[in-house]
Amino acid sequence: NAGVTQTPKFQVLKTGQSMTLQCAQDMNHEYMSWYRQDPGMGLRLIHYSVGAGITDQGEVPNGYNVSRSTTEDFPLRLLSAAPSQTSVYFCASNPGGGAYNEQFFGPGTRLTVL
Amino acid sequence: GESVGLHLPTLSVQEGDNSIINCAYSNSASDYFIWYKQESGKGPQFIIDIRSNMDKRQGQRVTVLLNKTVKHLSLQIAATQPGDSAVYFCAEMASGTYKYIFGTGTRLKVLA
Repeated sequence: NAGVTQTPKFQVLKTGQSMTLQCAQDMNHEYMSWYRQDPGMGLRLIHYSVGAGITDQGEVPNGYNVSRSTTEDFPLRLLSAAPSQTSVYFCASNPGGGAYNEQFFGPGTRLTVL
Repeated sequence: GESVGLHLPTLSVQEGDNSIINCAYSNSASDYFIWYKQESGKGPQFIIDIRSNMDKRQGQRVTVLLNKTVKHLSLQIAATQPGDSAVYFCAEMASGTYKYIFGTGTRLKVLA
């Protein structure tokens, strides 16, 4: 299994541009989530999904959209990039089916917005 | 809002010594706690977890202690090795929410 994969690894955008960060998992996990990590801070939850067709907001959802059309994929869309969205973005998944499960993280996407 | 925090941002220990990393949480409804290790340029990696019906859980060279009375969580690493150098995060979750709340992290430096 490849686990959780993210593309791209690095991205530079100009203010106002849009883009999609890709996340995929091949473990048939129900639960997937997106976090951002800023320097000197922990991870903050952006959006999450408990299954295909179901998404919900996390702690910092503004400026981001998600969809979950398949179990495997959970893309994160930046509609109009802002410098405040410069961060490292991590996607994670867990089997779901209950609260007490290990989360598996992807390697991250480092985004810079100029 | 509810938050998880850490007492020490940086911890330096001698190789071979034991390390203790602490974490305070504020959401009394949280019933699941996890420790993650994050090496530079990588995603967080699961170390150990504990449910609120337990006070202690042991893994390989790691032990997590939970004190619900004072809302405190600790990670003990025995015989710390250079490969343990990383940032360690605690996270909490209330069952049914699927929302993991992370602390800010503690950097562990292992001195040779």
